[in-house]
Amino acid sequence: QVQLQESGPGLVKPSETLSLTCAVSGGSITGYYWAWIRQTPGKGLDYIGYIYYNGDANYNPSFRSRVILSVDTSKNQVSLRLSSVTAADTAVYYCARRRAGFEVAFDIWGQGTMVTVSS
Amino acid sequence: ETVLTQSPGTLSLSPGDRATLSCRASQSISSSYLAWYQHKPGQGPRLLIYGTSTRATGIPDRFSGSGSGTDFTLTITGLEPEDFAVYYCQHYGSSPIITFGQGTRLEIK
Repeated sequence: QVQLQESGPGLVKPSETLSLTCAVSGGSITGYYWAWIRQTPGKGLDYIGYIYYNGDANYNPSFRSRVILSVDTSKNQVSLRLSSVTAADTAVYYCARRRAGFEVAFDIWGQGTMVTVSS
Repeated sequence: ETVLTQSPGTLSLSPGDRATLSCRASQSISSSYLAWYQHKPGQGPRLLIYGTSTRATGIPDRFSGSGSGTDFTLTITGLEPEDFAVYYCQHYGSSPIITFGQGTRLEIK
């Protein structure tokens, strides 16, 4: 079955750029939207953005000026870059697949990767 | 932006009980665009319900969803030990295109 695995540095310095990758195995990224969602410590889930396999992206306005999502169909992976990070960006970052079909929901999730922003 | 407010914040019940979780939207939303997730520590969230009432693949029938307009409910009948977790509702709409409720923690009494 399709599995997602997030990866990237666990520690990022303030003002630097956070870069994460989500590797998709057991299936193709083609034909689906792929989202990044985060959970800050002790809080709920925040939508960052999602990207279609062809590169069309939607971003949460709260992150729009700092975030770039990309896809690499040859590697079957999607990536997140979040610039000018602060301590408020410390969170567990998840990638998730938007299910096919009219009703929008995320049917497959990675286990998440913890990112700490600290000097 | 549609704000989702979940209640209660914490629900304390025993195995075998019935759990009723509420998700209220700040404006009327399409029932096609309301989903529920279960989230346990160290794991990614698990899709339970989409389109207000359709169970996702592999979800037991003790989980059910209902509602319309601004009021939506996730019901779990006959709680199993593995059901104790945090539950989120999620909406797809206008900017931001995806919003989540703040979550309900279902804990063992």
